[in-house]
Amino acid sequence: AQTVTQSQPEMSVQEAETVTLSCTYDTSENNYYLFWYKQPPSRQMILVIRQEAYKQQNATENRFSVNFQKAAKSFSLKISDSQLGDTAMYFCAWDFSGSNYKLTFGKGTLLTVNP
Amino acid sequence: GAGVSQSPRYKVAKRGQDVALRCDPISGHVSLFWYQQALGQGPEFLTYFQNEAQLDKSGLPSDRFFAERPEGSVSTLKIQRTQQEDSAVYLCASSFEALQFFGPGTRLTVL
Repeated sequence: AQTVTQSQPEMSVQEAETVTLSCTYDTSENNYYLFWYKQPPSRQMILVIRQEAYKQQNATENRFSVNFQKAAKSFSLKISDSQLGDTAMYFCAWDFSGSNYKLTFGKGTLLTVNP
Repeated sequence: GAGVSQSPRYKVAKRGQDVALRCDPISGHVSLFWYQQALGQGPEFLTYFQNEAQLDKSGLPSDRFFAERPEGSVSTLKIQRTQQEDSAVYLCASSFEALQFFGPGTRLTVL
């Protein structure tokens, strides 16, 4: 069975600084997608970034970037220039081939951005 | 609509009552998913529809849980004879090009 592990239950960062959230996963599949989702206190889950496993280049979306290490099965999220609005639960998730398949989530990391 | 909507947003039920949770997906999205999110945990898959066909229900925790999507758009998750362990947030997501868009969830509290 596929598993996703987020080893940091809580993290905090000062506004404008950089923070990295960790995620590891376990799968025997070769083709898959990895995601980071953000869930603010209002509870609506929002996609932050997506990485296709067959792509070597790390995905970036404005202040958000990932460090994808396929051999190590590691998928960390870096947030640069942290903003107060980044305060949220962050979930790492895995999807087999991205073919409209169910997501497997980690337990999440609560990130607090302090002013 | 602009996004996935769910109703009600909050539901309190007495143990043993039946509940029905509604999901309105983004118009045109063929795939629809239900997830259960316990307090302090990540969402866990319950079931998946492609149009009106329920293709995967492996995550439903018991036969008290039932989901339907009769016309391939709106979906309803029904829980019969609710138990305290059913208390959770129930998330619905619809999918386009392998991206899942989530609704705000329904928080179910069973007393």
